[in-house]
Amino acid sequence: EDKVVQSPLSLVVHEGDTVTLNCSYEVTNFRSLLWYKQEKKAPTFLFMLTSSGIEKKSGRLSSILDKKELSSILNITATQTGDSAIYLCAVERIQGAQKLVFGQGTRLTINP
Amino acid sequence: KAGVTQTPRYLIKTRGQQVTLSCSPISGHRSVSWYQQTPGQGLQFLFEYFSETQRNKGNFPGRFSGRQFSNSRSEMNVSTLELGDSALYLCASSVTETQYFGPGTRLLVL
Repeated sequence: EDKVVQSPLSLVVHEGDTVTLNCSYEVTNFRSLLWYKQEKKAPTFLFMLTSSGIEKKSGRLSSILDKKELSSILNITATQTGDSAIYLCAVERIQGAQKLVFGQGTRLTINP
Repeated sequence: KAGVTQTPRYLIKTRGQQVTLSCSPISGHRSVSWYQQTPGQGLQFLFEYFSETQRNKGNFPGRFSGRQFSNSRSEMNVSTLELGDSALYLCASSVTETQYFGPGTRLLVL
């Protein structure tokens, strides 16, 4: 059965800290891995990763995919209270009934 | 460009009733996907429509159905509501691989 597992499920850090969120997957017909940030409403798109070893970066956020290890990490440096959210990892499949398989998410809380 | 819109935003129903949720995708997006999000199960895929045809379907009972209109707007229907159907229902539209989510409809079944 296809699955995406995120760790940790919950993380509390202080403002300014650096955090690393993990996502591992066992999915057939892998096309890409996506990261989303969900605050109170809809998930907002962060990154899409298709190639192994190539880092995607946006400001203080960066992510990299390791196809050999079937995993990805999302790094956030110099965290701010506005980074508090649920971070979702999803794997897109080339074919199959379920287009996107989501992990359960990591709830990140940044304390001032 | 306006984002994905969903109506209604909040809904309270009782067991046994049925409900219809609506999603208007971003202009030009022909693919619309529906997801159910609950604290226990996370985000689960319901179905995807493309050009008025259901292209993919998740593992949900037949009480969950949907359709897409010629203007790409989509509706999702849940019949014979159960308490466990209480969830946030998210719609996402896409033109390439990236999906853009709407704000969701929060459904509470009493």
